[in-house]
Amino acid sequence: AQSVAQPEDQVNVAEGNPLTVKCTYSVSGNPYLFWYVQYPNRGLQFLLKYITGDNLVKGSYGFEAEFNKSQTSFHLKKPSALVSDSALYFCAVRDSNAGGFKTIFGAGTRLFVKA
Amino acid sequence: EAGVTQFPSHSVIEKGQTVTLRCDPISGHDNLYWYRRVMGKEIKFLLHFVKESKQDESGMPNNRFLAERTGGTYSTLKVQPAELEDSGVYFCASSLLGLAGGEQYFGPGTRLTVT
Repeated sequence: AQSVAQPEDQVNVAEGNPLTVKCTYSVSGNPYLFWYVQYPNRGLQFLLKYITGDNLVKGSYGFEAEFNKSQTSFHLKKPSALVSDSALYFCAVRDSNAGGFKTIFGAGTRLFVKA
Repeated sequence: EAGVTQFPSHSVIEKGQTVTLRCDPISGHDNLYWYRRVMGKEIKFLLHFVKESKQDESGMPNNRFLAERTGGTYSTLKVQPAELEDSGVYFCASSLLGLAGGEQYFGPGTRLTVT
């Protein structure tokens, strides 16, 4: 069965410091991996995805994520956090071998960036 | 381009009543998905439409939930009769046909409270 784990309910970081939001996954086949962000009273917005190719993917707003197959991880990173990055972040996975579009999400990690 | 819209934004109903949620996807998006997030937990997949056809409804909790997508445009999700555990935020998302690796576009959600 597919699953996603976001081990931290909240991540606190000072503005200007690097940030990491962790995600590990489990699928039986090859994963399609996604990060979404949710701002208050808004729907989820797509940040970046890994489908195939280079393990380091770059996305919106300066975010990037690294696919690590051996550790089944897809951690979200940013070199220098902004206060405006404070939001709820969701990691998600699809099993590319399952033939469908069913997406499994994690429980979310709240990022708080302090000025 | 208009995004995914959902109506209503909030709904408070009593146990045993009926509620219908509506989702209008982005024009031209044949894939439509419903998800639910219970407070603080993961976003759970409910079902997936391709045009008017249900492709995967494995996430629907029980037969009190009925989703339709007549004509392949907007979709409704009806809960009848509502129970306390149905409370949560219901998200709708859409994506282009044929792209299993494609990102989804989310609506702002409908917050359902069953009292």
